[in-house]
Amino acid sequence: DVKVTQSSRYLVKRTGEKVFLECVQDMDHENMFWYRQDPGLGLRLIYFSYDVKMKEKGDIPEGYSVSREKKERFSLILESASTNQTSMYLCASRSVGHYEQYFGPGTRLTVT
Amino acid sequence: EDQVTQSPEALRLQEGESSSLNCSYTVSGLRGLFWYRQDPGKGPEFLFTLYSAGEEKEKERLKATLTKKESFLHITAPKPEDSATYLCAVQAANTPLVFGKGTRLSVIA
Repeated sequence: DVKVTQSSRYLVKRTGEKVFLECVQDMDHENMFWYRQDPGLGLRLIYFSYDVKMKEKGDIPEGYSVSREKKERFSLILESASTNQTSMYLCASRSVGHYEQYFGPGTRLTVT
Repeated sequence: EDQVTQSPEALRLQEGESSSLNCSYTVSGLRGLFWYRQDPGKGPEFLFTLYSAGEEKEKERLKATLTKKESFLHITAPKPEDSATYLCAVQAANTPLVFGKGTRLSVIA
């Protein structure tokens, strides 16, 4: 079974803090993705990576950055958290040649 | 622009009452259509991939079908444990996955 894990299920941070969300997959997948999910807006793509040290902007990259130093790990960074970044953050991965993505359990981030 | 529209937004069924969820899409060069199940507070769980019109996939009480414009997720004799949000997504060539906003299904015992 594909296993995607995220570092925290719940996180509470203060406005202006730097926040790191970590994602690890154990299936040797090349591609990894970060989404946020909000009521009424659905899943929106923040950043994705096709391979180590590669990154591409998604639909809503503003206020976020990412890091992919190892194939199995993809980190999402909020440089200076703001209240409008309160959301559910979902990481996903997939293998080259297959289009289905496999998701982690999600991190519910609250910024106060 | 690639688009995915799911209907209805919410559906309430009695246990055993079969029904269908709809996913309409417009995309150039479909590479795959995907169905996911999402429980509250959790990540989406992959259910099916459909690649071409006429294809069908089944898993327990769920059956997914695909035409050139839409996909249906048929739920036969649902149980309360089938209650969840069902998400549809499409993959076109050289673009990221596009998700619909989901159908929230409630099955009442």
